[in-house]
Amino acid sequence: DARVTQTPRHKVTEMGQEVTMRCQPILGHNTVFWYRQTMMQGLELLAYFRNRAPLDDSGMPKDRFSAEMPDATLATLKIQPSEPRDSAVYFCASGTPGTSGGPRNEQFFGPGTRLTVL
Amino acid sequence: KQEVTQIPAALSVPEGENLVLNCSFTDSAIYNLQWFRQDPGKGLTSLLLIQSSQREQTSGRLNASLDKSSGRSTLYIAASQPGDSATYLCAPFSGGYNKLIFGAGTRLAVHP
Repeated sequence: DARVTQTPRHKVTEMGQEVTMRCQPILGHNTVFWYRQTMMQGLELLAYFRNRAPLDDSGMPKDRFSAEMPDATLATLKIQPSEPRDSAVYFCASGTPGTSGGPRNEQFFGPGTRLTVL
Repeated sequence: KQEVTQIPAALSVPEGENLVLNCSFTDSAIYNLQWFRQDPGKGLTSLLLIQSSQREQTSGRLNASLDKSSGRSTLYIAASQPGDSATYLCAPFSGGYNKLIFGAGTRLAVHP
């Protein structure tokens, strides 16, 4: 059955290292979302894409985070340099756009990447 | 600012009970509301999506209702089972913010 996949599932790294997380959206979905989940903040939207173009990345720290969609089957989230406060679970979700083209329709989540920065 | 509150924060019940999970939101200008389930260490599973024009959505033993004007949604779980144990999250899609805003969740434990 169709699912969002994410790699790696777990990542432990040292402060200052680059981290790359990957996501494969459900085939045919043209909106992709990146979320971060922590105990303190809960689930927060970092960025979303429609048809591979970034539409909103206002939730993302711009100095160290970057998100891209090199093609329709791959979305990446990079952190460089990583810091201990980036430790969290990062989720990718995909969906189909609403009638106005915005991200209003049902979102389907991947299993997440659990990141630990030491 | 859209704020989403879920009550209760945690619930422990014996198998077979009918349950009601509550979600309230401060900004009623929403397009839809999605209920998710999250198992420990796992991602979110979409349970129900209810559009702002709808009052109810049903899927199996789950029924979600929406009262947009009063800023409330409830998730009703009939005949609960141990396999229903998980955290349940509600997330209205807020037009002003153009994104889902998540509640902190209700952690449900159903014991045999």
